[in-house]
Formats: sequence, C-alpha cells, structure tokens
Amino acid sequence: GAVVSQHPSWVICKSGTSVKIECRSLDFQATTMFWYRQFPKQSLMLMATSNEGSKATYEQGVEKDKFLINHASLTLSTLTVTSAHPEDSSFYICSARVRTGFWEQYFGPGTRLTVT
Amino acid sequence: SQKIEQNSEALNIQEGKTATLTCNYTNYSPAYLQWYRQDPGRGPVFLLLIRENEKEKRKERLKVTFDTTLKQSLFHITASQPADSATYLCALGGDTNAGKSTFGDGTTLTVKP
Repeated sequence: GAVVSQHPSWVICKSGTSVKIECRSLDFQATTMFWYRQFPKQSLMLMATSNEGSKATYEQGVEKDKFLINHASLTLSTLTVTSAHPEDSSFYICSARVRTGFWEQYFGPGTRLTVT
Repeated sequence: SQKIEQNSEALNIQEGKTATLTCNYTNYSPAYLQWYRQDPGRGPVFLLLIRENEKEKRKERLKVTFDTTLKQSLFHITASQPADSATYLCALGGDTNAGKSTFGDGTTLTVKP
C-alpha cells in the first residue's frame, strides 16, 4: 500500500520552455502532497505543500509563479516549471502524507529535470 | 530555528558489522521521528517511524531508538550487507506542522564486503 508514482522519471528540455511533472497516489487518496527538490549530495528541500482543491503553500524563497502547483484531485498533483532555465535542473520529488495514527510520508521515485 | 544534524556525511563499515547512524536535533519537539533510505537517483523509501513515547523500535535487522531528553535518535543496522549501502535520512514530524517533515542532510553508508 501507499504507493506514489511520478511521471516522467526524467526529462530534458530547452531553456525557456515549460515542463509538467505529475505525482499520483496509486492506492490511496491524498488530500495533501509535498514537492521537494534535491541537488546532488544534498538533502531534500521542501518547495511547497499541495492541498487538494485549494492553492498550494510555498516555502520561503520559492517562486510560486515559476513553480506552478495544481492539486486537482485526491490522487493527482502536478508541478509545472515555467520558463525553465539551466539552474532549475534538479531532482524533483513528490510525497503524499498518510495518517496512520501519526502522519507518514510516502515518496515518489523522483523526476530528473535537465534544462539545456 | 529548527536544526537536524546527522553524524558524518559518510560512514564506512565492514560487512557483518553493526552500522550506527545518529540524528540530533535542536529547537524542536517532534511527535515522531522517521528514518528513510535513499538510493542514488531515487526517492526516499520509508523504513521506520518511532513516536515520542517510544524508546525503541525494531524491524528485522533495523533498530531505532529515540531519546527526547538527549534530543537524539540512533539508527542501527545489524549484520550489515553491501546491499545496505545507501544514504539514510532522518526526518522529524509533528501534528502541529500539518504533517510536514523536516529532513536531515543524510548519512551515506557504505558496507564493504
């Protein structure tokens, strides 16, 4: 149980284009999902909290107009990197929280974005 | 501000030995603590959760302790195997922050045959 998938697993795009990453909870409903980015040999940096049916909550320093998050259903959240630049190249990971007495997080496999 | 420190960036041990990873935190009172395993190019995989009122938890060759007085968690892998080589992350969580977990930087464990 508690499987989270991401698509695509890797993507290469040209500078100035937009890229959409999907995060799905496969066998449960997730009212809240989290989006992280991770640079090589560094830990996870929380970008935003995605809530189903409402606006995402962004962490300080994260541009909400650049990283558009949509949580249209209880099983799908999307992250769109708009007007991507090489410095946006990173590993993007989503997670969904599940309440089992306490909150637990289950992560997707990640999406490697390379902007050329 | 909240701070999580995991012992050394890298830990190298011999196969069969017990690996012990440390997670220390300050300015935080977590309701629970989680340990994750992350392999290169992959998302973290949940391993264990220990609650603030639990001292120890075990799962197969894994053992986690949680000392809220010392503000420390220890993660042990007994009879370590080369397949245990990965980066291990600790994360603190609590109901007051709506399920968000704060992650440490991780410790990369290498088990040599």
